[in-house]
Amino acid sequence: QLQLQESGPGLVKPSETLSLTCTVSGGSISSSSYYWGWIRQPPGKGLEWIGSIYYSGSTYYNPSLKSRVTISVDTSKNQFSLKLSSVTAADTAVYYCAKQLERLYYFDYWGQGTLVTVSS
Amino acid sequence: DIQMTQSPSTLSASVGDRVTITCRASQSISSWLAWYQQKPGKAPKLLIYKASSLESGVPSRFSGSGSGTEFTLTISSLQPDDFATYYCQQYNSYSLTFGGGTKVEIK
Repeated sequence: QLQLQESGPGLVKPSETLSLTCTVSGGSISSSSYYWGWIRQPPGKGLEWIGSIYYSGSTYYNPSLKSRVTISVDTSKNQFSLKLSSVTAADTAVYYCAKQLERLYYFDYWGQGTLVTVSS
Repeated sequence: DIQMTQSPSTLSASVGDRVTITCRASQSISSWLAWYQQKPGKAPKLLIYKASSLESGVPSRFSGSGSGTEFTLTISSLQPDDFATYYCQQYNSYSLTFGGGTKVEIK
């Protein structure tokens, strides 16, 4: 059974860079056609897609966040990562990693999520 | 971006009720729509994809319909486990977007 697990600091200071890693177990991150994405949810609010990556490193991002987002992949560790720069309180959210069957697709497996708070 | 609008934002219902949630897209997305269920403190769970295809393991009381710009999620007979928030998501365009959510509460 495929499992995804987010990890990283729960507290980030304003103007700094938020960094999270998603570790995939029970399957290979290099599986053909799968994309791996990040989605966030501010407390009490809805879901926002951040971006997605293919094991080859091909990425696509939410245009509203593109200037601050970098998603990368490490196939040797079966992990992919998120960096969000110049964070503000508005970036406080639960961050989820998830799997897509194809590039422009829905998310069929999700991690449990990790809360990241932006505060000094 | 394609905007997704869900209605209602909150719905009060009783066990056994038939419940319908609507999701409208700001432009046609063909049938590229998914529905998720989310319970407090948990990750969203995929229920329906391609507007009407039931994800494996999801009870048959859940069904989806629609195409183009208007879609519905129906729960034929609401069960205690179904009280949750439901989100739609379009995957027709380069930028994936979700609806604002519909919370199904106990009446």
